[in-house]
Order: sequence, then C-alpha cells, then structure tokens
Amino acid sequence: DVQLVESGGGLVQPGGSLRLSCAASGFTFSSYWMDWVRQAPGKGLVWVARINGDGSNTAYADSVKGRFTISRDNAKNTVNLQMNSVRAEDTAVYYCTRDPAFRVLTIRFDYWGQGTLVTVSS
Amino acid sequence: QSVLTQPPSVSAAPGQQVTISCSASSSNIGNNYVSWYQQLPGTAPKLLIYDNNKRPSGIPDRFSGSKSGTSATLGITGLQTGDEADYYCGTWDSSLSVYVFGTGTKVTVL
Repeated sequence: DVQLVESGGGLVQPGGSLRLSCAASGFTFSSYWMDWVRQAPGKGLVWVARINGDGSNTAYADSVKGRFTISRDNAKNTVNLQMNSVRAEDTAVYYCTRDPAFRVLTIRFDYWGQGTLVTVSS
Repeated sequence: QSVLTQPPSVSAAPGQQVTISCSASSSNIGNNYVSWYQQLPGTAPKLLIYDNNKRPSGIPDRFSGSKSGTSATLGITGLQTGDEADYYCGTWDSSLSVYVFGTGTKVTVL
C-alpha cells in the first residue's frame, strides 16, 4: 500500500526555519513527481511546491518562492521542504502528495499524507 | 493570479443530487485537465475525479466530472450523509507554472 508520512512540524518563531520531511513507501518513489500542499486553519487548499522524480526540476508558489526549498532523497524515499524566513501566514497543515501524471496538463494528487502542522508564532 | 471560483456551499436532501461549479478566471488553464478532491472533516483530501471526468479505483459512479471551456462541474447523485465534506477543484496554470485549487465548496446533506 502507498503510504506518505510527514514529520517535522511544530512551533517556529517568525523569521525562523523548519524542515519538513515526508517518508514514502509502497511505490517506486523515484518515478513520481511529489508535491507539498498546505491548508491554513479553517481555510482552503494551497499548492506550495513540486519536484520531479530525479530532483532536477522544481516549481514553487509565488508566496514561498525564495524562502522554501523542496528536495528529495531517492535512496531514502523521502521528500523534504526546507522552510526559511517563515511568516505568520505560513501557519498551516502541510500535506505531502504524490502526482502520478506524466504530463503537466494532467497533474493530480492521488495519495496524501496525514499532514503535519506548522505554527509560526512568537 | 489565477483563481478557480466555486460556490461556498451547496445542499440537498439524502438521495438527491448536487452539482458544484468551478470557474476559471483565466483562459490559461483552459487546455488543462481538472481534478476534484473530497475532504471529509478532520481528514486529508482524497482524489475523486481526474482528467476532467475519470474516477480513480474505488470511487463510486455517483461522482462524475465534466469540463467545458474554462469551467468544470462535479456532480454527486444519490447524496448520502457520508458525502458531507468540502470539495475542491484544481488544475495547472500553464502560463504561471503553478497549480491552482478552487476556493472550495461545503456540501451539506439536509
């Protein structure tokens, strides 16, 4: 069975850093794009970032570009989100997701982790 | 910035049907496929529909999707209390190279 398990969330001060990780199992990890999606408390879903199978191609939402970095370790089947210069508006549950599409036109997220909560507050 | 607009809420009695619209603010997403996600209270979202109208394995045919131009629609027939959830559409904006989710719709079974 496909499993995605996030970790690394917690309380961080504004301007600080946090590193989220997602451990994947049950599929050939290096063959899939992986994405991070977040959801602020009581709000809707917001796409954050994505990375291709070999880690050579990434994309970011404008709201996190230059502050967040997505990376992956295919030997360990993990995808990470390094969050720097965090702001109060980054407070959210962060979900790790898998995208099985081969074309950007057909992107979809077929498996989701349970999410990890990041709270930015002093 | 691209926006996918959904009605904030829809409701119907058990056994009835509802439709949820997803309207794009930009033609940049007109050529891309739409997905739909269901988020039950307190849980992670789940993929319901992809490529405008395809259902992943295990999703009942009570759920259907369609797309015309820059608008998409999710239909739910035979409404059940277990369908009470938030529903989101989503698609890739090829011009901005970002994925965009809809504003979300809360489905209430009366």
